[in-house]
Amino acid sequence: DAKTTQPPSMDCAEGRAANLPCNHSTISGNEYVYWYRQIHSQGPQYIIHGLKNNETNEMASLIITEDRKSSTLILPHATLRDTAVYYCIVRYGANNLFFGTGTRLTVIP
Amino acid sequence: EPEVTQTPSHQVTQMGQEVILRCVPISNHLYFYWYRQILGQKVEFLVSFYNNEISEKSEIFDDQFSVERPDGSNFTLKIRSTKLEDSAMYFCATPVSGVSGANVLTFGAGSRLTVL
Repeated sequence: DAKTTQPPSMDCAEGRAANLPCNHSTISGNEYVYWYRQIHSQGPQYIIHGLKNNETNEMASLIITEDRKSSTLILPHATLRDTAVYYCIVRYGANNLFFGTGTRLTVIP
Repeated sequence: EPEVTQTPSHQVTQMGQEVILRCVPISNHLYFYWYRQILGQKVEFLVSFYNNEISEKSEIFDDQFSVERPDGSNFTLKIRSTKLEDSAMYFCATPVSGVSGANVLTFGAGSRLTVL
């Protein structure tokens, strides 16, 4: 699996957009980019995934660069409940995922 | 209703005792996964199980661990003789139904194991 690099922590003001970057410069053509988050000690929660195209769902948007070497998760209007650790994972094929240390996002009132 | 239910939510046990953690998916999945997270550390993959067989396991998943699907609906993770370092949150996960093009997992709320 391609290695991912994320900043260890970020702050975001409540109501503003949170933009979480991820570098995956060694990604191969058939590997997907997944984003999960973990709120406190709860189980990881799926947010969004993509292959080449930008994706949007009710939780977030995923912007993948044209060369696929990096991506950005966007939470359009961050709330206090979005405070969590966000994981960017690159994986092909089988379902098991390997989590790194992620980005700890703190939403500030 | 959660897609995956785990029991117990918290178990305290003495070192050397056997522990069984259970996972019940809402749908009849053939795949399931176990992960663990030691307090303050990252989520670590333990094992994946497909159609009643282990399909992949990590180096953490040694002979003290075993997985079963005892009755066709729930999945178990057994630790034969617990050690202090087995204290962690254990998460079960199954694929999300209806997601096309990739495999996405839904996780349970976890079982906290404390070994004294």
